[in-house]
Amino acid sequence: QQQVKQSPQSLIVQKGGISIINCAYENTAFDYFPWYQQFPGKGPALLIAIRPDVSEKKEGRFTISFNKSAKQFSLHIMDSQPGDSATYFCAATQISTGNQFYFGTGTSLTVIP
Amino acid sequence: NAGVTQTPKFRILKIGQSMTLQCAQDMNHNYMYWYRQDPGMGLKLIYYSVGAGITDKGEVPNGYNVSRSTTEDFPLRLELAAPSQTSVYFCASSYSQGPYEQYFGPGTRLTVT
Repeated sequence: QQQVKQSPQSLIVQKGGISIINCAYENTAFDYFPWYQQFPGKGPALLIAIRPDVSEKKEGRFTISFNKSAKQFSLHIMDSQPGDSATYFCAATQISTGNQFYFGTGTSLTVIP
Repeated sequence: NAGVTQTPKFRILKIGQSMTLQCAQDMNHNYMYWYRQDPGMGLKLIYYSVGAGITDKGEVPNGYNVSRSTTEDFPLRLELAAPSQTSVYFCASSYSQGPYEQYFGPGTRLTVT
């Protein structure tokens, strides 16, 4: 079964708007939650990550919000730009198990100029 | 540093043929991984390795084999290729201690007909 559920499958946002992608997980042993960005024809690259001891992490225009009790986390992209158009994957892992990442199904983001 | 390299970039196989996908990293990472990416399905872990001589199954290992004789190389072997193995394959690597970021290669697009 899908260990990490991601929504929406696709998202269209106007330039300057806020993009929000949501993920939910079941395994409470997960202790590292990264977001990866993938451009067409390329491998995924780490965008931002969070550990469950904090509720929010911000890096530039990208913010992860983490709700441990609800077992949910989300990616917010502020002031979205056309260059942000890509596929975004959330993931989760239990670090002590060799970093086996469980990925969400991905969100295709299109930012319209 | 070249990072994570994969060869070939593209390959077409006939049903029943075998091949090896090559992966190498020059970052002295202990951990290495093989994923497959199918449309709308995210990335699924096939096999992973926590060090030379040590490999273990991921979520979708059937039809594949791996070996890890050196820290740098982690080839993925497909025996008796089937159409269900048509996919994009990504190799990744990471440190065993933090940071836990996985670095991905550029991928191999495989078609089995």
